[in-house]
Amino acid sequence: DQQVKQNSPSLSVQEGRISILNCDYTNSMFDYFLWYKKYPAEGPTFLISISSIKDKNEDGRFTVFLNKSAKHLSLHIVPSQPGDSAVYFCAASATGTSYDKVIFGPGTSLSVIP
Amino acid sequence: EAGVAQSPRYKIIEKRQSVAFWCNPISGHATLYWYQQILGQGPKLLIQFQNNGVVDDSQLPKDRFSAERLKGVDSTLKIQPAKLEDSAVYLCASSWGQVFKEKLFFGSGTQLSVL
Repeated sequence: DQQVKQNSPSLSVQEGRISILNCDYTNSMFDYFLWYKKYPAEGPTFLISISSIKDKNEDGRFTVFLNKSAKHLSLHIVPSQPGDSAVYFCAASATGTSYDKVIFGPGTSLSVIP
Repeated sequence: EAGVAQSPRYKIIEKRQSVAFWCNPISGHATLYWYQQILGQGPKLLIQFQNNGVVDDSQLPKDRFSAERLKGVDSTLKIQPAKLEDSAVYLCASSWGQVFKEKLFFGSGTQLSVL
């Protein structure tokens, strides 16, 4: 039962263009969402998060959008840089429930082509 | 600030053998997690400690996996006996407090191959 889905295993984008990574979730109890970035042979590192009371959160080149009615969130990277090439994990948690732990999606591998 | 330390970096064992992984979290972090990441999948939580108490071990295969966190600091994860399907990267993470508010800091992981 995959509660956090990232249906695109991989994505290629030209340097300078926008990268859009998508994530869908099934559990309506989720109220906090995170994106992690992972380089090969390293552990994931936190990138950006959003609470369900918001629909947008921005941090420099990274913006996360949340559409609760569609149970969908997306990560936008503008402009994309070669150093952004990594695997991106979407994650979710539900405060004060049995899902009060971070559940990760399978990841999307982003390649930014110079 | 030193990061989360894990060892060993790689481990290759035969099925039915035992193996142990070690983790030293960031100083002062009360919460420690062990995740299993199988190739092509996202990290899956195995066990979560708050100080030296277990908060969640619902996804830990307790017939073969065990974990402890001594004195609320270092932690070890053990598999005995190992199965082929245990081949994965084992990630340790830590955070200051409650998971839904705090970001997790991950170590580089231990890549386990069971032959």
